[in-house]
Amino acid sequence: DQQVKQNSPSLSVQEGRISILNCDYTNSMFDYFLWYKKYPAEGPTFLISISSIKDKNEDGRFTVFLNKSAKHLSLHIVPSQPGDSAVYFCAASRRTGGGNKLTFGTGTQLKVEL
Amino acid sequence: DTAVSQTPKYLVTQMGNDKSIKCEQNLGHDTMYWYKQDSKKFLKIMFSYNNKELIINETVPNRFSPKSPDKAHLNLHINSLELGDSAVYFCASSLGTGLAGVTGELFFGEGSRLTVL
Repeated sequence: DQQVKQNSPSLSVQEGRISILNCDYTNSMFDYFLWYKKYPAEGPTFLISISSIKDKNEDGRFTVFLNKSAKHLSLHIVPSQPGDSAVYFCAASRRTGGGNKLTFGTGTQLKVEL
Repeated sequence: DTAVSQTPKYLVTQMGNDKSIKCEQNLGHDTMYWYKQDSKKFLKIMFSYNNKELIINETVPNRFSPKSPDKAHLNLHINSLELGDSAVYFCASSLGTGLAGVTGELFFGEGSRLTVL
C-alpha cells in the first residue's frame, strides 16, 4: 500500500523557470511533510518541511505548499538552477507517536537544462 | 568530515552468505536508523535505535539483526542472504526520536549497495 505517491518519475525544466514537483498521500494521520533531495551516489539530504497546521512554507528559492483537503503537497523551485538537478523525494510522518518513521514517495528526477 | 558514514559502499556476495554493514555518525545524535531502497526506488524504514534501544522495528525478516554498541554506531548484520535482499541500504541519524511530537530532520549516509548473486 503506497501511502505517499509521486506520480511523475521525471521532470525537465529550463534554467530560470519554475519547477513544480507534486506529491499525494492517502493516510490522513500524516501531519508532517518533508522534501529530500538526492544526488547520485549520495544519501538524501533534507530540503524543506511543512507541518499540517500550515499551508505554505518558504525557504529561499524553495516553497512547499500543502492542501490538506486534497491530501496533496507540492514543491516549487524558482528560479530553477542546473545544480537543482537531482531526485526529489516527498516524505510524510505522524508527529504523535509516529517517531521519525518517514514514509517516502518513489521520487521525481528533476533535470534543469541550460 | 562525513557526518554519517557507512561501510562498505558496495558489497557483492553469494546467496546464503552472512554480511554486515557498519554505520557511524559524528553529529552527536541519539537516534539512528536503517532504511532500505529497493529496485522500485521505494525507501522504507527497517529499524530505529535511540540510545542503543530499539524503538522502531518494521516487519523485517529475522535474518536482519541490527546492533548498536553505542549511540554513535548502528550496524546491520544480515544472515543467509537472499536475492531479494539486493538493495541500497541507507543509515540515518537524528536528534531525538520524534516520539515527543517533534519530527527531527534525518541525516542520511551515502548508502551501501548490496548485490546478492
